Amino acid sequence: AQSVTQLGSHVSVSEGALVLLRCNYSSSVPPYLFWYVQYPNQGLQLLLKYTSAATLVKGINGFEAEFKKSETSFHLTKPSAHMSDAAEYFCAVSGTSGTYKYIFGTGTRLKVLA
Amino acid sequence: DVKVTQSSRYLVKRTGEKVFLECVQDMDHENMFWYRQDPGLGLRLIYFSYDVKMKEKGDIPEGYSVSREKKERFSLILESASTNQTSMYLCASSLWDGDRGTDTEAFFGQGTRLTVV
Repeated sequence: AQSVTQLGSHVSVSEGALVLLRCNYSSSVPPYLFWYVQYPNQGLQLLLKYTSAATLVKGINGFEAEFKKSETSFHLTKPSAHMSDAAEYFCAVSGTSGTYKYIFGTGTRLKVLA
Repeated sequence: DVKVTQSSRYLVKRTGEKVFLECVQDMDHENMFWYRQDPGLGLRLIYFSYDVKMKEKGDIPEGYSVSREKKERFSLILESASTNQTSMYLCASSLWDGDRGTDTEAFFGQGTRLTVV
């Protein structure tokens, strides 16, 4: 069964530093891969999605993610962290084999230090 | 812009009360979902619906029921609220990609933080 692993439940970076949030999926290439962001007491907002059209996907707020089939990874990056990036980030895949369920990672809380 | 609207942001209910959480989407999406989110446990799927009057149990359906009488509206019902149902509840909707046999991205509401006392 498909699973999604996010390495690091908490990540801290200094303002202006590179942001790298890791995500690995378990097995067959899912139809879609997503990154979502959640600010405190808010719902999840889509940052970007991979649809197999291009391996490097650009999203909102300067984030991007690279799909690497050989590593079963879909890591999220941003060249320069901003204080407003502090939030929780979720990696997710869409269901396979005609299922309706999404598979979410457990989330990574990003802290940005001044 | 797709909009998913949950009827309440914050709710406080008493143990044993019947609680209704309402969710409306405005993009004609077939699929709708209810999740609960708890610290350290991530998002857990309670129920989902892929069509009007259709529903499927998710991973933690016990103590909950749902209703989908109209395509745009998906309601979550706590039959008899208990303190262990204190949580953040998130509604989402998505479009089905028939070519790939899966959902495209999910659009989430703002969430309802429910406290049962």
